[in-house]
Amino acid sequence: AQSVTQLDSHVSVSEGTPVLLRCNYSSSYSPSLFWYVQHPNKGLQLLLKYTSAATLVKGINGFEAEFKKSETSFHLTKPSAHMSDAAEYFCVVSVGQAGTALIFGKGTTLSVSS
Amino acid sequence: DAGVIQSPRHEVTEMGQEVTLRCKPISGHNSLFWYRQTMMRGLELLIYFNNNVPIDDSGMPEDRFSAKMPNASFSTLKIQPSEPRDSAVYFCASSLAGGLDEQFFGPGTRLTVL
Repeated sequence: AQSVTQLDSHVSVSEGTPVLLRCNYSSSYSPSLFWYVQHPNKGLQLLLKYTSAATLVKGINGFEAEFKKSETSFHLTKPSAHMSDAAEYFCVVSVGQAGTALIFGKGTTLSVSS
Repeated sequence: DAGVIQSPRHEVTEMGQEVTLRCKPISGHNSLFWYRQTMMRGLELLIYFNNNVPIDDSGMPEDRFSAKMPNASFSTLKIQPSEPRDSAVYFCASSLAGGLDEQFFGPGTRLTVL
């Protein structure tokens, strides 16, 4: 069975400090993995995606994630948080031949303080 | 492109009434997704269309929910009869090529069933 676990429901950081949002997955297939961000009262926006190419994936706004098959993890990081990064982040697994099974994590709320 | 368009943005109705949510995907995208987001259950995939054909409707909660995509530029999600527990934000998203591709989300419809 496929599943996604976001290990923290809420992460708080200070502006200028590093961000780490953790995601573990379980999949019988080679998964495609995504991180999406949702700002308040908005739809989701793609940050980055992994589709079996380079294991270190760079996304928008300085975010990146590393696919670690041995650890079944796909953690999202950013070296220096900005106030505008405050939002909810979703880790998503797409499995199946046509990517028909889309599994969303419960989300991690990132708070950034000045 | 205007992005994914959803209407209405807000809907307040009484229990037992029929509700119809509408979505116009991005032109040229051949996959369309309907999601529901609540505090309790997070983000759930309800149904996924590819080339106007429903591919995966396993997330549709029950027979009160139905979705159609009569052509490549329009989809509806109907709830009949509506119940208070259907209150949620409903998102529509589209992509070029199924679940393995980036999904572009609409702004959502906030549904309140009294």
